Amino acid sequence: AQSVSQHNHHVILSEAASLELGCNYSYGGTVNLFWYVQYPGQHLQLLLKYFSGDPLVKGIKGFEAEFIKSKFSFNLRKPSVQWSDTAEYFCAVSSFGNEKLTFGTGTRLTIIP
Amino acid sequence: AAGVIQSPRHLIKEKRETATLKCYPIPRHDTVYWYQQGPGQDPQFLISFYEKMQSDKGSIPDRFSAQQFSDYHSELNMSSLELGDSALYFCASSAPGTGDYNEQFFGPGTRLTVL
Repeated sequence: AQSVSQHNHHVILSEAASLELGCNYSYGGTVNLFWYVQYPGQHLQLLLKYFSGDPLVKGIKGFEAEFIKSKFSFNLRKPSVQWSDTAEYFCAVSSFGNEKLTFGTGTRLTIIP
Repeated sequence: AAGVIQSPRHLIKEKRETATLKCYPIPRHDTVYWYQQGPGQDPQFLISFYEKMQSDKGSIPDRFSAQQFSDYHSELNMSSLELGDSALYFCASSAPGTGDYNEQFFGPGTRLTVL
């Protein structure tokens, strides 16, 4: 069975600070990796995804993530955060041929103006 | 662009009652997924359907059942509701085999409160 770990439960940053949210997964086979964002009171929205190819993927709103296979990691980064980035961020994984998503426990990001 | 539609958006029920949640996928999406997100928790996969057949099953209680209809909408039926069933229920849809393979698009969710 696959599992996802997000080490940071709550991160508080000032505007313009750089962001890195950790995500590690456990699964022995080929995986697809995702970051979803959930703004307060809203539904999950896809930030970015990795299926194959270049391990550095760029998503919406200036976010990017790097897949490091040897470390089973898919960390999310943003060089300069904005107050509007305040949200809950979920890392998720699905295995090749099985589309159900397994989510991490989420990281609550609070940006202080 | 059309999105996933869920109804109702909010539902309040008493213990031991039944509830039916509906999900309308994005047009031409043939796969539907149901997730349950408890307060302060991550979404947990419940069940999925592809072309009206159950394709995968997760941690769905026996009190719950679901199906996908000929128009691809799906319904999640919940009986003998318990306090612990209070959660946000997300539906997602995807269209495997296209350029969006494995990408799930989520609906706004139905918030179920069991009193």
